[in-house]
Amino acid sequence: GAVVSQHPSRVICKSGTSVKIECRSLDFQATTMFWYRQFPKKSLMLMATSNEGSKATYEQGVEKDKFLINHASLTLSTLTVTSAHPEDSSFYICSARVDRGFHEQYFGPGTRLTVT
Amino acid sequence: GQNIDQPTEMTATEGAIVQINCTYQTSGFNGLFWYQQHAGEAPTFLSYNVLDGLEEKGRFSSFLSRSKGYSYLLLKELQMKDSASYLCAILDSNYQLIWGAGTKLIIKP
Repeated sequence: GAVVSQHPSRVICKSGTSVKIECRSLDFQATTMFWYRQFPKKSLMLMATSNEGSKATYEQGVEKDKFLINHASLTLSTLTVTSAHPEDSSFYICSARVDRGFHEQYFGPGTRLTVT
Repeated sequence: GQNIDQPTEMTATEGAIVQINCTYQTSGFNGLFWYQQHAGEAPTFLSYNVLDGLEEKGRFSSFLSRSKGYSYLLLKELQMKDSASYLCAILDSNYQLIWGAGTKLIIKP
């Protein structure tokens, strides 16, 4: 089956610093990847759609200058949380979409970000 | 507008059967997914339905009625490890997933 990795799995950073999260599809190419955010006991919230070779598409209310997304290759997308604040603490999950069949999304294991 | 409804929480007994319902209204439809999510972990794929009817996979089955905008996930022979949240998601006309809020399933011994 398709495997998606995400790194780091956990990160603690100080307020005002930036954090980069990597999402890789290990055994398939993904033209499209997605970045989600999830608060405790809440459902997934789509932040943005990452398109290889073009700009990401952000959902309403998500600051694109704060959450920088780069999809440099068919197997790698990165999310950078700039000038992080405690309210950015959350569980960030990426997924990669298979561009054939029923377009299933495979999820990375998630990154737990804590901003102190 | 787009709307997906599923119960917030359900409780069932180990060894029993439980059915989790999902109703939806979306602008486009390219299939319905069920995902399982344990606390603190990412969702994992359970099933996909695009045609009406029942798809069976081991202890788990998923049913779809497109005319009624309705699906259910059926879990048999419940085990304690099945305690998790179950997410219903619709693949819309742009092949983007629209997520339900999830159903937290609590299994009691």
